[in-house]
Amino acid sequence: EVQLVQSGAEVKKPGESLRISCEGSGYRFTTYKISWVRQMPGKGLEWIGRIDPSDSYINYSPSFEGHVTISADTSISTAYLQWNNLKASDTAIYYCARRRSYDTSDSLTVHAFDFWGQGTMVTVSS
Amino acid sequence: DIQMTQSPSSLSASVGDRVTITCRASQSIRIFLNWYQQKPGKAPKLLIYAASSLHSGVPSRFRGSGSGTDFTLTISNLQSEDFATYYCQQSYSPPPITFGQGTRLE
Repeated sequence: EVQLVQSGAEVKKPGESLRISCEGSGYRFTTYKISWVRQMPGKGLEWIGRIDPSDSYINYSPSFEGHVTISADTSISTAYLQWNNLKASDTAIYYCARRRSYDTSDSLTVHAFDFWGQGTMVTVSS
Repeated sequence: DIQMTQSPSSLSASVGDRVTITCRASQSIRIFLNWYQQKPGKAPKLLIYAASSLHSGVPSRFRGSGSGTDFTLTISNLQSEDFATYYCQQSYSPPPITFGQGTRLE
């Protein structure tokens, strides 16, 4: 059974550092890219970035680049999302999601997030 | 970036109804469009990929259609468990991936 299990809720102060994790199981971790998605309180989904665990190639959304760092440790099938200088505006639920590729009848390859972690609530408050 | 616009933002319906949610892309994304369902306090779940393909285990009352810039998600014979928020998402462009703002079905 495929699972993405995320680390628990965190409460931090502005300026502090934090790393949250997402452990994959039930599949070969290096075969699928992992994305991180933010959901601010009462708001929609925002894509933060993704990592290809097979080669650690990373893409960031311009909205998040420079403020977060994505990484992975394939030896323990775990992806990470890290902040070095948290702000109150980082308060949100963060999800990791596995990207799967689907081949269509039009000979196109479409990607979708087929499995998601349960989410990690990050609260940043003084 | 490709902008995704959903309508309506919220929708009131009853069990047994048929509802349609629309998603429009700011440029053609061919069929690189996915739909997700999110219930309160839960992670999103994939419903439809490639605009019209049903993800494994998703009931057949969910139907996706469209290509290019205009897409629809139709739910027939609405069930109580379908009351949730629905998001479209494009995977056409190079990053960033973008989501619609969501449609709350209540």
